[in-house]
Amino acid sequence: ETGVTQTPRHLVMGMTNKKSLKCEQHLGHNAMYWYKQSAKKPLELMFVYSLEERVENNSVPSRFSPECPNSSHLFLHLHTLQPEDSALYLCASSQEGAGVLGNEQFFGPGTRLTVL
Amino acid sequence: TQLLEQSPQFLSIQEGENLTVYCNSSSVFSSLQWYRQEPGEGPVLLVTVVTGGEVKKLKRLTFQFGDARKDSSLHITAAQPGDTGLYLCAGGWGNNRLAFGKGNQVVVIP
Repeated sequence: ETGVTQTPRHLVMGMTNKKSLKCEQHLGHNAMYWYKQSAKKPLELMFVYSLEERVENNSVPSRFSPECPNSSHLFLHLHTLQPEDSALYLCASSQEGAGVLGNEQFFGPGTRLTVL
Repeated sequence: TQLLEQSPQFLSIQEGENLTVYCNSSSVFSSLQWYRQEPGEGPVLLVTVVTGGEVKKLKRLTFQFGDARKDSSLHITAAQPGDTGLYLCAGGWGNNRLAFGKGNQVVVIP
């Protein structure tokens, strides 16, 4: 596997379900991100992990719970979601401390989430 | 909050034509990235520009960073159907954070 992988690619869940999204990066990076992409909106940054510590949480509802067990893996645990949470969830990674090149983020293919 | 406005939002052209799309902001960025995203996939990084006035070429794609590092343009020469996609610009700021525009949807008709 190369780059950034995400599973599952598609997920349909009811509002009472609990599910998890998984992301794995094979680039040796030290920072990982969760973004939400909705139609006709800019990508919204949800969480940032740097060296496995959560350094940013952009007012995301508690029904989204991230986990970063090591620098290569990132999870997003979902529970009691709402229909408006339906979106493409993207994971990205980058190398912090690399100057402006640290701004280069590499994305996975995303998980298309539908909440019924 | 850093805001990036991309224009036009949607552009449809015939194969072989040229096109230019724009990314504008009132904020100064330390760098600017362009990504291309195809349906059902994540954004793929095309280029990073860092210096004001910088021009980079990637085959038929030419990227320019504005002198004041607030805006950027992407020009495609002799567009091909494979150029179809959503082009996203992202400005770098703070501690390796990116602010994204809504994108330029480009459709190249064979």
